[in-house]
Amino acid sequence: DVVMTQTPVSLSLAIGQPASISCKSSQSLLGTSGKTFLNWILQRPGQSPKRLIYQVSKLYSEVPDRFSGSGSETEFTLKISRVEAEDLGVYYCWQGTHFPYTFGAGTKLELK
Amino acid sequence: QIQLVQSGPELKKPGESVKISCKASGYTFTDYAMHWVKQAPGKGLKWMGWINTYTGKPTYADDFKGRFVFSLEASASTANLQISNLKNEDTATYFCARVGQGYWGQGVMVTVSS
Repeated sequence: DVVMTQTPVSLSLAIGQPASISCKSSQSLLGTSGKTFLNWILQRPGQSPKRLIYQVSKLYSEVPDRFSGSGSETEFTLKISRVEAEDLGVYYCWQGTHFPYTFGAGTKLELK
Repeated sequence: QIQLVQSGPELKKPGESVKISCKASGYTFTDYAMHWVKQAPGKGLKWMGWINTYTGKPTYADDFKGRFVFSLEASASTANLQISNLKNEDTATYFCARVGQGYWGQGVMVTVSS
């Protein structure tokens, strides 16, 4: 199975600060289709996960543009340009290139 | 709008079975696969597998082969997850999701306790 390693485990940031979360996979997520199925989701406390980014860097339509994703092959990054209160929760990267799909362990964003 | 609405919380004893449902609306049910994801209390997310909503063929992750069954009521745009011979470690929230497009149900908390 593909192991997804997220760092840091937690982040404590003030409103307006930038955030960066790393996600590394144990094997390349570039699929035979030429697409890389690396995605990011946010799970706010007590809620189900919400979609953020798909295929490394594509934002879903409702996601604010302070979020961005980058990376390739085995190393990926989620960035928030300026953290807002609604951004708190646990961020997960997950891969949909190889079966079984696998998730990172999560990065908890807390507000300072 | 697209919604996945799951059934309510369940409290079961070890050895019993449970069936939870996921009703889809706002799109053609058979156009997209339905996935199931487990989240134990305070833990991360674990992919259980998926079901082809057109053919009804399920695919299970290794840890979910045997006691777990994905099924459909396609006429009702509903996907189901049945867990038999429940164990304490099955205590978790179970999500249905169209993971490829980022739509998730609200989750069903299943508690297994004697």
